[in-house]
Amino acid sequence: DADVTQTPRNRITKTGKRIMLECSQTKGHDRMYWYRQDPGLGLRLIYYSFDVKDINKGEISDGYSVSRQAQAKFSLSLESAIPNQTALYFCATSKGGQGARHYGYTFGSGTRLTVV
Amino acid sequence: QKEVEQDPGPLSVPEGAIVSLNCTYSNSAFQYFMWYRQYSRKGPELLMYTYSSGNKEDGRFTAQVDKSSKYISLFIRDSQPSDSATYLCAMSRGGMNYGGATNKLIFGTGTLLAVQP
Repeated sequence: DADVTQTPRNRITKTGKRIMLECSQTKGHDRMYWYRQDPGLGLRLIYYSFDVKDINKGEISDGYSVSRQAQAKFSLSLESAIPNQTALYFCATSKGGQGARHYGYTFGSGTRLTVV
Repeated sequence: QKEVEQDPGPLSVPEGAIVSLNCTYSNSAFQYFMWYRQYSRKGPELLMYTYSSGNKEDGRFTAQVDKSSKYISLFIRDSQPSDSATYLCAMSRGGMNYGGATNKLIFGTGTLLAVQP
């Protein structure tokens, strides 16, 4: 089983619909992130959470919301989907508090979202 | 100006060639430098990690950091068709014991590499 699992893998939805993307992890990491990836723009941070009670906006949070239901689960919602939210969405995790080193992020396989 | 700049490519090379992938950055506070590999329809996976300046080698892959020039490189020797992927550089100011924005990874846009058999 994958360490970071995203569901669904693919989703087509209509403009104005509410949609939720889910992420669960078995890494035991406390920090979780949501990114979207667009051609030519790279990975852009939407929201991040350092623990269950800590939620922070990233660089492009407008139109999105998140919920950290447990240490292992972090979901992303589009309240009213619009076509320019069509993108590849990635969840990532990392472990904090391990001394001075940065250990990088572990990514899920992504959700390809199309808003028509 | 973006904090991290990366040539998007695409870069096409014959099998066996030496590949050089590069990123430049503007924030002199970056200390942790990483390279991720992303296959089509997959998530990025950590390939190489370097702290501060210097070189790091792992098999056919070598990562170099030149902090004086704010320039990092990834070299792939004896490139193989299986190396065909998008390569993203990433960097951070601080380690994971910091909160806030200090240890967030800043990514380049990625370079698409195709190794032709």
